[in-house]
Amino acid sequence: DIQMTQSPTSLYASVGDRVTITCRARQYIGTNLNWFQQKPGKAPNLLIHAAVNLQVGVPSRFSGSGSGTDFTLTITSLQSEDFATYFCQQTYSIPHTFGQGTKLESK
Amino acid sequence: QVQLVQSGAEVKKPGASVTLSCKASGYTFSNYAVHWVRQAPGQSLEWMGWINTGNGKTMYSQDFQGRLTITRDTPARTAYMELSSLRSEDTAVYYCARDYTIYDYWGQGTLVTVSS
Repeated sequence: DIQMTQSPTSLYASVGDRVTITCRARQYIGTNLNWFQQKPGKAPNLLIHAAVNLQVGVPSRFSGSGSGTDFTLTITSLQSEDFATYFCQQTYSIPHTFGQGTKLESK
Repeated sequence: QVQLVQSGAEVKKPGASVTLSCKASGYTFSNYAVHWVRQAPGQSLEWMGWINTGNGKTMYSQDFQGRLTITRDTPARTAYMELSSLRSEDTAVYYCARDYTIYDYWGQGTLVTVSS
């Protein structure tokens, strides 16, 4: 199984801040990486697929970068509705493993 | 619009089995894979398995080998997940999700509680 490690696991920020979350794969996964946002009691919501592709309907303040083993999710100009937990997931090989999550909270 | 609607919450005793459903609408069911993912309370997401809804082939996480069965009923546009020999550690919210790599649409989740 490919282990996915996110950092940080928790993050405090303010509205208007620029936020960066990183995700590292234990082995090469190309650009086979998704980013999800999850709010309490809700299903995950796809933000980015194939490492850099913004899902339809997702605000342009979200962006993804990286390839190989190191990936980044960036939120520019944080909004109040962005406080949530974020997960990365590799889809390079079965099982499609997830990172442990990054909880983004208001400072 | 694309929707995945899952069956309702379940309470089961240890050792029992549970079958959950995931009904699709708004797209051609057999053109997209369906995955099952679960989330224990306060934990991350755990991939369980997937089904090729076109040909019915499945793959499962080794963590569930022998206990997990995923099937589909194409005319009913529904995927099913059966988990057997339930234990307390199986208490979680179970999700279905569409598409082999993109996971673009998810069901609302089904809470399964395993308790004696």
